Amino acid sequence: DAKTTQPNSMESNEEEPVHLPCNHSTISGTDYIHWYRQLPSQGPEYVIHGLTSNVNNRMASLAIAEDRKSSTLILHRATLRDAAVYYCIPRVLDGGYQKVTFGIGTKLQVIP
Amino acid sequence: SQTIHQWPATLVQPVGSPLSLECTVEGTSNPNLYWYRQAAGRGLQLLFYSVGIGQISSEVPQNLSASRPQDRQFILSSKKLLLSDSGFYLCAWSATAIHGYTFGSGTRLTVV
Repeated sequence: DAKTTQPNSMESNEEEPVHLPCNHSTISGTDYIHWYRQLPSQGPEYVIHGLTSNVNNRMASLAIAEDRKSSTLILHRATLRDAAVYYCIPRVLDGGYQKVTFGIGTKLQVIP
Repeated sequence: SQTIHQWPATLVQPVGSPLSLECTVEGTSNPNLYWYRQAAGRGLQLLFYSVGIGQISSEVPQNLSASRPQDRQFILSSKKLLLSDSGFYLCAWSATAIHGYTFGSGTRLTVV
């Protein structure tokens, strides 16, 4: 299974951009990279996913390295509501359906 | 639109008592269903996943079991709870292999 490495924690000032890195050097060519975030006492929430190209949605942007061994989740303007644990996850297909394994993630603190 | 329901939100159970947590999905057919557990301060551990009625795959051997009696119903059970079963239990569904997960709101189980 592909493994990921993320910093345990990061801090950002409110209204500044945040770049959350993730290393996934063992990812296979068909594994999508998914990002989720988990607010305290809630289930994880889907943020964004991509395969090779950079992706944008209303929540964030995802920049994927050309060799696909790393990616960066970009929050363009951090708000206090963005304080959460962010998980970078390779979506592995096993027998035709996906298995998603969550690591510890990066705990993002947003400073007012 | 699709929704996922999980209950109860909190549960306190004595050691040795049985457990039944229920999860239902609305607005979709033949979803992939998942049970995760999160111990305090830890990442999410995949417990069971199901791709169809009566089809259950177990990721971690333990005293828990899962069943899928209907297409959109997923049940997590135990005959005798252990202290180590305490945690935050999350149900999730995905439509296909390329879609992300949608999580329920979770059940916080405390075994005393």
